Amino acid sequence: KQEVTQIPAALSVPEGENLVLNCSFTDSAIYNLQWFRQDPGKGLTSLLLIQSSQREQTSGRLNASLDKSSGRSTLYIAASQPGDSATYLCAVCGNTDKLIFGTGTRLQVFP
Amino acid sequence: ETGVTQSPTHLIKTRGQQVTLRCSSQSGHNTVSWYQQALGQGPQFIFQYYREEENGRGNFPPRFSGLQFPNYSSELNVNALELDDSALYLCASSFSGRDNSPLHFGNGTRLTVT
Repeated sequence: KQEVTQIPAALSVPEGENLVLNCSFTDSAIYNLQWFRQDPGKGLTSLLLIQSSQREQTSGRLNASLDKSSGRSTLYIAASQPGDSATYLCAVCGNTDKLIFGTGTRLQVFP
Repeated sequence: ETGVTQSPTHLIKTRGQQVTLRCSSQSGHNTVSWYQQALGQGPQFIFQYYREEENGRGNFPPRFSGLQFPNYSSELNVNALELDDSALYLCASSFSGRDNSPLHFGNGTRLTVT
């Protein structure tokens, strides 16, 4: 049974810091891995999707890496801003067409 | 391009009642998935519909049922509501479930069962 874990559960950093969010999963047989952002009481916004054959994806200040063999992914946020404050969710897609999510990392960036 | 829209945004029901939640998929998408997100948790997969047929189901009882219509909009029905059904219900659409296309989520329906 696939399980997804995210560390840390919460993070509070000053503006401008570079930071890393971690995601681990127990079954390496995945099609892809997605990182999402969720603002309080809102839906999910897809940030990056990494296919199983890829090692990383970049979008602006965000970079996500995938090491499928070790069951790990990281989301790197460069030069953090207060507007980055949100919950970040990692999800893996296996061969059953469903996403399995971690419980998220709640990020607060203060000015 | 129209995004995923869900209605209603908030809903309060009493234990034992039935509820219907609605979702309009993003234009051009033919697959819709429903997720339940309890407070402080990650979303849990309920089921997925592809071309009007159920195409995968998570660990939810039969009182959770769904429909997908020819225009790819969808409904989630929950019968005999329980207190633990209180959650944010998210709808997500994509073009074909297996082509590595990212899911696009709506803003969800917040259901409170009292």
